[in-house]
Order: sequence, then structure tokens, then C-alpha cells
Amino acid sequence: QVTLKESGPVLVKPTETLTLTCTVSGFSLSNARMGVSWIRQPPGKALEWLAHIFSNDEKSYSTSLKSRLTISKDTSKSQVVLTMTNMDPVDTATYYCARIRAMVQGVIIFDYWGQGTLVTVSS
Amino acid sequence: DIQLTQSPSFLSASVGDRVTITCRASQGISSYLAWYQQKPGKAPKLLIYAASTLQSGVPSRFSGSGSGTEFTLTISSLQPEDFATYYCQQLNSYPPSTWTFGQGTKVEIK
Repeated sequence: QVTLKESGPVLVKPTETLTLTCTVSGFSLSNARMGVSWIRQPPGKALEWLAHIFSNDEKSYSTSLKSRLTISKDTSKSQVVLTMTNMDPVDTATYYCARIRAMVQGVIIFDYWGQGTLVTVSS
Repeated sequence: DIQLTQSPSFLSASVGDRVTITCRASQGISSYLAWYQQKPGKAPKLLIYAASTLQSGVPSRFSGSGSGTEFTLTISSLQPEDFATYYCQQLNSYPPSTWTFGQGTKVEIK
């Protein structure tokens, strides 16, 4: 049974750095053609893809947030960590992690999602 | 970056209606498009990937079509549990592999 669970602070202050952890079970972060992505959703707004990391350590970041994001993984702990620097109230959102699978012919799917964690940015 | 535009942003429909949602990409993305359903307070659920492949366990009343820049999600006969917000997502695999979501379509009960 595949599960993902996000954890991290509920409240951060403006200019602080946010660190979120996605702990996975039911699959290994070393599985070929698998990885984890982070997505966020401000209250009442659309989903926004943030970053992903594959088992081979291939990473990619949202163009608009690239300078603020870092994604990494600890395979032994089954964890993927996302850090976002210089937090602002507009970064208030529910942050999700999702499992990604690379299938044949370049098809990628986000097949399992965590429940999400709401992060509020306020002084 | 590739932009996705969904239409309509909101639609009101009745149980049993046939519903179609469109997603247009700012440049060609072959068939690298997925559709998700999201209910309030819940994580998105994958419905369709590769533009037209139904994810395991998803009812057959959902279908997807299209390639290049224009895609559609169709619900053949709307059920009470289908009232939700639907998002498309492009997963163009060519570097840089930056992926984007559409702005969403909320389907409400008429």
C-alpha cells in the first residue's frame, strides 16, 4: 500500500525558510523510474507544481520559484525534503507531495498523493 | 513555460448530463496531459493520463481525448459524486521538464 505523508511547520514568519518533509511507504525512493513531486494550492486557488526528484537524482524546479527551492531525498529514510527560502504571505498554501512514475514513451503520472499540509505565512 | 487554459472555469450541470471540459496548451505537448478530480479538502485524484488513458479504478464514464494543443475531458453521464473541481496538467517530458496545471473547472449542481 503506497502512502505519502507531508510534515512541517504549520506557521512560518515572513522571510523565514520553510522545510517540508514527505515520508513515503509502500515503495522505495530507489525504485527505477519513480520519484516524488511537490505541489501547492493556495486557499481557493489552483494547483501549482513546484519541483520533482527522481530515483536517479534528476531534479527540476518551477521556473518562477527556482531561485527559492531546493529538493533532496534520503532514500534510507524514505523521505523527500523541500526547502523554500524567503517565505511571504502569498506562499500560504496547502503543500502536497505526490509519487511520480515514468512510464513508457515518456509518459509521467502522479498516481498517489499525500493528504497535504497547510502552511500559513504570517508575522 | 507552457501555459494551460481550461474552459469553462465554472459549469453548472444536472445529474445525468454529458459534460465536456477543454484544456488548451500554449504550445504542442503531444499527448503528455493528465486530468485530475479534486473534492473540497482532499488531494487531487488522477483520472486520465497520456491524454486518453483511464487510470485504474476510474469509472468508464470519464474519458479524455486530444493531442498537440487541445484536449477534452468528458463525463458521459454526470453522477452526484462527480461534482468537484477538475484540473488538467501538462507533463511534457522534454527538458526542461517543468510541469504546469490548468486553472481548474468547478462543476456544480444545477
